[in-house]
Amino acid sequence: QVQLVESGGGVVQPGTSLRLSCAASGFTFNHFGMHWVRQAPGKGLEWVALISYDGSNIYYSDSVKGRFTISRDNSRSTVYLQMNSLRGDDTALYFCAKDPTGPRCSTYSCYGSAFDIWGQGTMVTVSS
Amino acid sequence: DIQMTQSPSSLSASVGDRVTVTCRASQTISSYLNWYQQKPGKAPKLLIYAASNLQSGVPSRFSGSGSGTDFTLTISSLQPEDFASYYCQQSYLTVYTFGQGTKLEI
Repeated sequence: QVQLVESGGGVVQPGTSLRLSCAASGFTFNHFGMHWVRQAPGKGLEWVALISYDGSNIYYSDSVKGRFTISRDNSRSTVYLQMNSLRGDDTALYFCAKDPTGPRCSTYSCYGSAFDIWGQGTMVTVSS
Repeated sequence: DIQMTQSPSSLSASVGDRVTVTCRASQTISSYLNWYQQKPGKAPKLLIYAASNLQSGVPSRFSGSGSGTDFTLTISSLQPEDFASYYCQQSYLTVYTFGQGTKLEI
């Protein structure tokens, strides 16, 4: 069946790095955009990053731009989130999510995305 | 960034009630608005996409409407399994943004 499984979370100190992975199965991975979405404990959802089906379009939220890098390996059906210079406010449950589209992108933005399949999440705690 | 404001933040209701949640965007987003349901300890679930399209497998008691800046999610007859948090999300422009959520309680 269609499934996303995240891994790589843990407890780390401020200023350090972590790489999350999300392994996909049950669908043609290289046809769809992929996202990372996070949720701080007891808080709402925050979109983090998008990578299009072929990796040609990448966008980040302002809060992680310059520190996080999203990438994908279509041969392994896996999307990654490299997180550097971690801060306390990065503490959250990180979900990867599938986009039912490529998505559609213009020069300045992508649009029309939704998150139709989600993983179970992997917890990242940044604390000294 | 486009700000999404949901109301109410919380709502008490009973089984069988008709419930409406509102989402307002800080600028026009056409119909690029999605709704999600999240239960405690679980990943969110897509309910409605493009403002009014029911995701496959979602019960027909859920419906969405609106365009431009104002949108609504309606549950026509609440069932026990509908007590959860609901989020709207705009996909008009990256950075995509969510509303702050509406917690639906008994």
